[in-house]
Amino acid sequence: AQRVTQPEKLLSVFKGAPVELKCNYSYSGSPELFWYVQYSRQRLQLLLRHISRESIKGFTADLNKGETSFHLKKPFAQEEDSAMYYCALSGRGTYKYIFGTGTRLKVLA
Amino acid sequence: DAGVTQSPTHLIKTRGQHVTLRCSPISGHKSVSWYQQVLGQGPQFIFQYYEKEERGRGNFPDRFSARQFPNYSSELNVNALLLGDSALYLCASSLASLEVSVEQFFGPGTRLTVL
Repeated sequence: AQRVTQPEKLLSVFKGAPVELKCNYSYSGSPELFWYVQYSRQRLQLLLRHISRESIKGFTADLNKGETSFHLKKPFAQEEDSAMYYCALSGRGTYKYIFGTGTRLKVLA
Repeated sequence: DAGVTQSPTHLIKTRGQHVTLRCSPISGHKSVSWYQQVLGQGPQFIFQYYEKEERGRGNFPDRFSARQFPNYSSELNVNALLLGDSALYLCASSLASLEVSVEQFFGPGTRLTVL
């Protein structure tokens, strides 16, 4: 079964501390993974995707097919990173996106 | 461009009624997807349309249907509403053709409440 698991509903860290938002997936084919973010009172928007292998706003994520994970990391959290983060999965040719339940990140001053 | 727009913003219906939600994609985007987001959950995929054809369907009953018009706008229809259909309905557009790994641009959503 295709599934995305985000084990933490809420993650609180202090400003300047490292952040890791966990995402594990289950998919039988060749997965395509994304992180979407929703800031307060804003729309859901793409943060990054694994094929781009880029760093956005200091965040990176590496697809680990052996551990079926796509964890989101940032070395030094900032207050403006506080938001809801969703991991999403798709697969070439499926045209179907599966979202995790989301993790709320709170960065404390 | 105002981005993806959805109407109405909020809607209240009673059980058994029918509802139509509307979505206008970003200019130039030919693909529209619909999602249902229940409180406390992530968005759940309902449909994807590309060039007026259904390309993907999630695990939703036949009470849910959609269509895409020649101008690429889309409607989501839900018949025989149930209390459990209360949710935020999100529309997303993209430049998707055969390429799957493309960015989806989300609208603000329509909040449906079924009483």
